[in-house]
Amino acid sequence: GAVVSQHPSRVICKSGTSVKIECRSLDFQATTMFWYRQFPKQSLMLMATSNEGSKATYEQGVEKDKFLINHASLTLSTLTVTSAHPEDSSFYICSARDSQPGGGTEAFFGQGTRLTVV
Amino acid sequence: EDQVTQSPEALRLQEGESSSLNCSYTVSGLRGLFWYRQDPGKGPEFLFTLYSAGEEKEKERLKATLTKKESFLHITAPKPEDSATYLCAVEGAAGNKLTFGGGTRVLVKP
Repeated sequence: GAVVSQHPSRVICKSGTSVKIECRSLDFQATTMFWYRQFPKQSLMLMATSNEGSKATYEQGVEKDKFLINHASLTLSTLTVTSAHPEDSSFYICSARDSQPGGGTEAFFGQGTRLTVV
Repeated sequence: EDQVTQSPEALRLQEGESSSLNCSYTVSGLRGLFWYRQDPGKGPEFLFTLYSAGEEKEKERLKATLTKKESFLHITAPKPEDSATYLCAVEGAAGNKLTFGGGTRVLVKP
């Protein structure tokens, strides 16, 4: 299957600082990428849909000024958690679909990023 | 609004003891139903896509089936390495985003 690379896998930051998480599709192009948040023993909660070259679409209740998303190319989307607080500590996962014709409908996921805010 | 409910929440099996996981869904115009496997601390790994009622797909000890209201993931003669959380998701007619169920945590004991 297609590969989505997410970096870093773990990050610890101080309260009030910002953290950037990268999501790359390694062997396909993705006009759309998705960012999820997952709490322990819970399922994935969609935060936002990242669109290449345009603004992201945020789900209800997700603060767009706190979770900044940039999708500057067909293979890279970034999520920046601004002014992080302990309650932002979570597991963040990105996914992407191959947007080329014949690319299939399945979404492929990154390895996830464990964010701990101290 | 699309909804997905998975049952049971957790399943403990002895090695070789076959079982089935259920995924019930309501969706406006099903475009696809997806099964994923997730290991602790990792992102979900794609298993299957099902598009229409009656469709079945198999991969090693796993077999996924689909009806108009639910999907089943059958695990035949499981091994300890099949221990994971299995996630079901649907994409509806609104398109381009997945709605996930809560997952089923499977533990296979040797």
